[in-house]
Amino acid sequence: DAGITQSPRHKVTETGTPVTLRCHQTENHRYMYWYRQDPGHGLRLIHYSYGVKDTDKGEVSDGYSVSRSKTEDFLLTLESATSSQTSVYFCATAFRQKPNEKLFFGSGTQLSVL
Amino acid sequence: AQTVTQSQPEMSVQEAETVTLSCTYDTSESDYYLFWYKQPPSRQMILVIRQEAYKQQNATENRFSVNFQKAAKSFSLKISDSQLGDAAMYFCAYAGTLTGNQFYFGTGTSLTVIP
Repeated sequence: DAGITQSPRHKVTETGTPVTLRCHQTENHRYMYWYRQDPGHGLRLIHYSYGVKDTDKGEVSDGYSVSRSKTEDFLLTLESATSSQTSVYFCATAFRQKPNEKLFFGSGTQLSVL
Repeated sequence: AQTVTQSQPEMSVQEAETVTLSCTYDTSESDYYLFWYKQPPSRQMILVIRQEAYKQQNATENRFSVNFQKAAKSFSLKISDSQLGDAAMYFCAYAGTLTGNQFYFGTGTSLTVIP
């Protein structure tokens, strides 16, 4: 499958601290996405990127920012973590942004905000 | 935003039996795609099957098939000859051309396979 690496795999942090999650891909996919997964909510889109330095908001973007300075890296930052941001975060990539396109997922980051 | 509804939080099936997972969606688009993704305990998301809305024929992939009812906006997944390795969380997902080609996921159905 596509080479998508998320780091860290697990993180515990305190409320109010900044947190950055990293997604690295080796497939040269143009499109990259950050989702959060919560029980009873499924996966919800936080932010996505359609090219270097080109990003846009998803449905649950409040409290999150992203950056993409290189094709292969997509960073998700929680400026001041809150307990409501405790979740599993998934990065996904796609070669094209077409509705029939397969998404390739990383293995997720379990984030706990205490 | 589009909505995707999975009304069965949990399902169970006896090994070698057949199980059907339900999914309904809401859209005003005519051109869209539907997907089923599997998430085993490893957390890896695996594409199981996809359906193009303009195709009337239901998609099949080995033991996995769908029942796509466009008018009813229903997209169920049938797993035949269930195996222990089928135990996972299953997510239904929608992607359409008018919604920026973003993917919308349901809340998931946790499938248990009983030996």
